[in-house]
Amino acid sequence: EAEVAQSPRYKITEKSQAVAFWCDPISGHATLYWYRQILGQGPELLVQFQDESVVDDSQLPKDRFSAERLKGVDSTLKIQPAELGDSAMYLCASSLGVTPDTQYFGPGTRLTVL
Amino acid sequence: AQSVTQPDIHITVSEGASLELRCNYSYGATPYLFWYVQSPGQGLQLLLKYFSGDTLVQGIKGFEAEFKRSQSSFNLRKPSVHWSDAAEYFCAVGVRNAGNMLTFGGGTRLMVKP
Repeated sequence: EAEVAQSPRYKITEKSQAVAFWCDPISGHATLYWYRQILGQGPELLVQFQDESVVDDSQLPKDRFSAERLKGVDSTLKIQPAELGDSAMYLCASSLGVTPDTQYFGPGTRLTVL
Repeated sequence: AQSVTQPDIHITVSEGASLELRCNYSYGATPYLFWYVQSPGQGLQLLLKYFSGDTLVQGIKGFEAEFKRSQSSFNLRKPSVHWSDAAEYFCAVGVRNAGNMLTFGGGTRLMVKP
């Protein structure tokens, strides 16, 4: 069964450093999502791509976060500089991009900022 | 804007007992509805979904959920819980005509007593 791949699974960094997360969606999925999940809470959408275009980044803290999906396949989410409050699970999901649609999630990247 | 409430933060049941996890949503039209399960340190796995039609939907691992429009609810049920069901469960609402964006509830942590 096809899965969403994410790396790294765990990342520990010091505040003010730069970090990057990578996501490879299920093959053929046009839509890709990045979520942030704070411990004990549900995921919150950061950014949504349709192919290589950003559909929604209204909740992305653009002063420090950036996301790209240059060729419309895999995607990178970057934080620079990292802050203590960025410690969370970062989840990537993908979907076909039809309506109605189902999102499939990767295993996530657990970020700890010291 | 849509919202999702999972009233029970923690639930403990005995192995073999029945289970019902509550989910209430707020949205002006008929939403798409999902239940996901998350094991510690893992991504979200889709249990089941409702788009339209039969309001009782069957999912994986013996779970089912019933959409009740009059109560704005989509409760998850299982007749007999197994120890491996211990995890966190998230209800989510998908909005029609809004890029398939999902809004998640805060989650219910299920613990299973032997």
